[in-house]
Amino acid sequence: DAMVIQNPRYQVTQFGKPVTLSCSQTLNHNVMYWYQQKSSQAPKLLFHYYDKDFNNEADTPDNFQSRRPNTSFCFLDIRSPGLGDAAMYLCATSRDPWHTDTQYFGPGTRLTVL
Amino acid sequence: AQKVTQAQTEISVVEKEDVTLDCVYETRDTTYYLFWYKQPPSGELVFLIRRNSFDEQNEISGRYSWNFQKSTSSFNFTITASQVVDSAVYFCVVWDAGGTSYGKLTFGQGTILTVHP
Repeated sequence: DAMVIQNPRYQVTQFGKPVTLSCSQTLNHNVMYWYQQKSSQAPKLLFHYYDKDFNNEADTPDNFQSRRPNTSFCFLDIRSPGLGDAAMYLCATSRDPWHTDTQYFGPGTRLTVL
Repeated sequence: AQKVTQAQTEISVVEKEDVTLDCVYETRDTTYYLFWYKQPPSGELVFLIRRNSFDEQNEISGRYSWNFQKSTSSFNFTITASQVVDSAVYFCVVWDAGGTSYGKLTFGQGTILTVHP
């Protein structure tokens, strides 16, 4: 089945140690999104790629970066994780960002910062 | 959207009861899209339904039904004959352009639904 895959499902890192989360998709969608969801809160959009065009939300900390080497893969890099970055990180995809084709979400990666 | 409000933070029902989740939104756009997503304990956000602002036809899909009323900016979601597997957090979500290049989703705070056997 076509889907959005996130690895790993659980990630533990140390304070200040860089970490990379990965997302892949078999839907051949043009847009890939990264959301941060803290406990008991709604998901918050960090940034998205429309093809190779990177779009950062204004309030996304510089500590968060992303790479999209090809259509299928997108990575979230946290350069120096702090305790406040512990959260669920959700990847989503859609065909395009305007006509608001539905966004399909992956299972998420739960990040713990020690 | 400027705001999406889900009035109920938590709802608890017994299996087979009907339950309605309320959602009210604010947007300045005339074109927008409405969604409901379900997030079970596993964490994945599962798409349930999408409606555009020009389609006020309400729909029933199995045990799920939706009531979109543009005049009151409400998009309520009903589960008939609830089951334990319906236990999850339900998010009402609105997409609009909001004056930006791409627009984005605005999430409500979520309603935690617990269905007891």
